[in-house]
Amino acid sequence: KAGVTQTPRYLIKTRGQQVTLSCSPISGHRSVSWYQQTPGQGLQFLFEYFSETQRNKGNFPGRFSGRQFSNSRSEMNVSTLELGDSALYLCASSLDGTVVSGEKLFFGSGTQLSVL
Amino acid sequence: QKEVEQDPGPLSVPEGAIVSLNCTYSNSAFQYFMWYRQYSRKGPELLMYTYSSGNKEDGRFTAQVDKSSKYISLFIRDSQPSDSATYLCAGYKAAGNKLTFGGGTRVLVKP
Repeated sequence: KAGVTQTPRYLIKTRGQQVTLSCSPISGHRSVSWYQQTPGQGLQFLFEYFSETQRNKGNFPGRFSGRQFSNSRSEMNVSTLELGDSALYLCASSLDGTVVSGEKLFFGSGTQLSVL
Repeated sequence: QKEVEQDPGPLSVPEGAIVSLNCTYSNSAFQYFMWYRQYSRKGPELLMYTYSSGNKEDGRFTAQVDKSSKYISLFIRDSQPSDSATYLCAGYKAAGNKLTFGGGTRVLVKP
């Protein structure tokens, strides 16, 4: 069974540019969540998508956006990049996203974004 | 103040020793607590999942939750060099359906 796949693995951009990251969840999983991981702030929740709808959102500016397609694949976009956006962006998938049910959240290996 | 706090380490132990990891949290709304292990350049993987106060064992791993003092622990018995990783604790509340992670503790098990 294939795991969560994130592409690209590494990305280098300059300030002011925009970037799109991609996430393919485990087959059959309908919930996709995105997290930002930095040495200073740790892992922070960005947003969650379920059945093509954003279901939950963290405390990030509007420059961070996402979407989910009918096949559950998800993309995350960051516009007008800032130096502080340099981070590891992790995608996680689960069947329906409700941790309450005890189901696991499976993480991908992430996309390492460097903003110069 | 962060909702979930962890000592960043590094915590260095000899092979075979017990690794003791701790987290404190401030949000009483957390209903579930998880421990994740993250190897370098990889995403976190779930190790333990607990709901109520008390102990939960799974092989070499024991998770403890004390909701009265807002304290969670993870113990790793008979530690191996392959246990060298960053360990993240997380709290979960149904409202918002999101995990709130601690900053992680880096563990190094020396052969």
